[in-house]
Amino acid sequence: GENVEQHPSTLSVQEGDSAVIKCTYSDSASNYFPWYKQELGKRPQLIIDIRSNVGEKKDQRIAVTLNKTAKHFSLHITETQPEDSAVYFCAASTTNFGNEKLTFGTGTRLTIIP
Amino acid sequence: DSGVTQTPKHLITATGQRVTLRCSPRSGDLSVYWYQQSLDQGLQFLIQYYNGEERAKGNILERFSAQQFPDLHSELNLSSLELGDSALYFCASNPRGDTGAEAFFGQGTRLTVV
Repeated sequence: GENVEQHPSTLSVQEGDSAVIKCTYSDSASNYFPWYKQELGKRPQLIIDIRSNVGEKKDQRIAVTLNKTAKHFSLHITETQPEDSAVYFCAASTTNFGNEKLTFGTGTRLTIIP
Repeated sequence: DSGVTQTPKHLITATGQRVTLRCSPRSGDLSVYWYQQSLDQGLQFLIQYYNGEERAKGNILERFSAQQFPDLHSELNLSSLELGDSALYFCASNPRGDTGAEAFFGQGTRLTVV
């Protein structure tokens, strides 16, 4: 089955600097890669996603890049702010015979230092 | 509010007991996923149902079972509970259960086994 690895597990960044979180996946059939943000004690919420036919997607301060050949994708947050502090999860979605399975990475705890 | 409702929010029970967690998906969503999140851990996929049928299975223990009813709500049954089952249990739903649809998470049920 699919295996998603996420690095780093913790990341501290000075406010205003950029943060990068990287994920790799194992199943070449995966074709949808969402990123979720989970604030303390709350539910995970989608912040950005990318499909396999796209190499990069940007939404204001957040961008995601995908390299299908290398099977890795990354989340980039620019001009970080204190409210960006949270746990971020990457995921890979695989569909086999119509059955979808969403596999999450282990998470990155991002701390923005004021 | 994601539109996904989970009950109860908190549950405290003793080892060896059995509990049922309930999830009502967003209106119109046919697919329900269950995830387990232990303290400071990632999201472990348990099981997925689509329109009443089991679609995919993850690392779900034999002591755990789930079902999706005709009205599309889902229940996760946990039996012979152990201390290690203490965790936050999330359900998520998306419209089709196929690749590329955003999964919306409920607020979770925090289970504490004492």
